[in-house]
Amino acid sequence: AQSVSQHNHHVILSEAASLELGCNYSYGGTVNLFWYVQYPGQHLQLLLKYFSGDPLVKGIKGFEAEFIKSKFSFNLRKPSVQWSDTAEYFCAVNPFGNEKLTFGTGTRLTIIP
Amino acid sequence: ETGVTQSPTHLIKTRGQQVTLRCSSQSGHNTVSWYQQALGQGPQFIFQYYREEENGRGNFPPRFSGLQFPNYSSELNVNALELDDSALYLCASSSKERGQETQYFGPGTRLLVL
Repeated sequence: AQSVSQHNHHVILSEAASLELGCNYSYGGTVNLFWYVQYPGQHLQLLLKYFSGDPLVKGIKGFEAEFIKSKFSFNLRKPSVQWSDTAEYFCAVNPFGNEKLTFGTGTRLTIIP
Repeated sequence: ETGVTQSPTHLIKTRGQQVTLRCSSQSGHNTVSWYQQALGQGPQFIFQYYREEENGRGNFPPRFSGLQFPNYSSELNVNALELDDSALYLCASSSKERGQETQYFGPGTRLLVL
């Protein structure tokens, strides 16, 4: 069964700092990869996704993620964070053609103004 | 806003009772998935419905059951509620396209079992 690891449980940054959140998965075949964000009091929203093609994908709000197949990783990055980026971030994976989306435990990001 | 709606928003039940949660999928989507999110955890896959049939199930007991209707809306039913069933229940709708499916989530129903 596939699993997803997010090693950073809580990250605290100052505004304008650069961000990188780690995501590693365990599955040997073709996968679809996602990052979702949950702002305080709001529902899960899709930040970006990777299905195939260019391993560097760009999402909303200036976020991007890079799929490195050899490392089974899909890290999320943002060059300069804002206070409004304070939220919980979830990495999720599903094998190609499989309906089950497996989530990591999430990373809580706190941005200090 | 994703267009996925869920009702009710909050619910309090006692152990042993039964509960029904509802979800309306986004326009154009034919697939609904249900997840349980315990406090401090990521969502856990319960099951998925596609064209009114169960299309995959996670590690949840049979007292978790569901339905999908012809308009693609869905219900999650939980019988014999246990304290550990307290969680946020999320519904996600999607459209199956050549194995590339993006799930869009509703706001969830927060269930508290006393």
